[in-house]
Amino acid sequence: SQKIEQNSEALNIQEGKTATLTCNYTNYSPAYLQWYRQDPGRGPVFLLLIRENEKEKRKERLKVTFDTTLKQSLFHITASQPADSATYLCALPISSGSARQLTFGSGTQLTVLP
Amino acid sequence: NAGVTQTPKFQVLKTGQSMTLQCAQDMNHNSMYWYRQDPGMGLRLIYYSASEGTTDKGEVPNGYNVSRLNKREFSLRLESAAPSQTSVYFCASSDFDGYSEQYFGPGTRLTVT
Repeated sequence: SQKIEQNSEALNIQEGKTATLTCNYTNYSPAYLQWYRQDPGRGPVFLLLIRENEKEKRKERLKVTFDTTLKQSLFHITASQPADSATYLCALPISSGSARQLTFGSGTQLTVLP
Repeated sequence: NAGVTQTPKFQVLKTGQSMTLQCAQDMNHNSMYWYRQDPGMGLRLIYYSASEGTTDKGEVPNGYNVSRLNKREFSLRLESAAPSQTSVYFCASSDFDGYSEQYFGPGTRLTVT
């Protein structure tokens, strides 16, 4: 079955540094991958989508890479700020069924320390 | 434009009671989803509706039923609540194309005692 692993449950970094979060997957070749942000007590919010033929995608201080050979996506936040503290989820489309189903990783909780 | 709304925000049920969680979206999306989120387990898909008039089971459908009332509304029903259904429930919607992101509601925190 398809499996998604995000590198760690929690990551603490110092303000101003670059945070790097990892999403690994197995038994699957997704056409794209998405990243979401979730704040405590709220629903996830979409951040970025990267397609299988794209090596890298950027949006302001966010950068996502997608290595289909390694079956891995890296999510970077540069010049991190305490406001970036949240849980970040990666999501892959499920290979069967109708609609646009996604399988989500369990998330990495990022804390940016001032 | 409210996006995805869910009611109620919080609910406490006794084992065996029933209830319906309501979800509505105002973005004219075709597809809607119900997830549950438990600590350490991420989001798991309960049911989804690709378009008005269709519903399909997701990863964890047992103990739940859904109704796609119209294009805007998608409800989730617990017929006989069990403590294992204590969770946070999220509704989401998306447009019907290849790469659409999902838009989530604020969630319903359900406790079954």
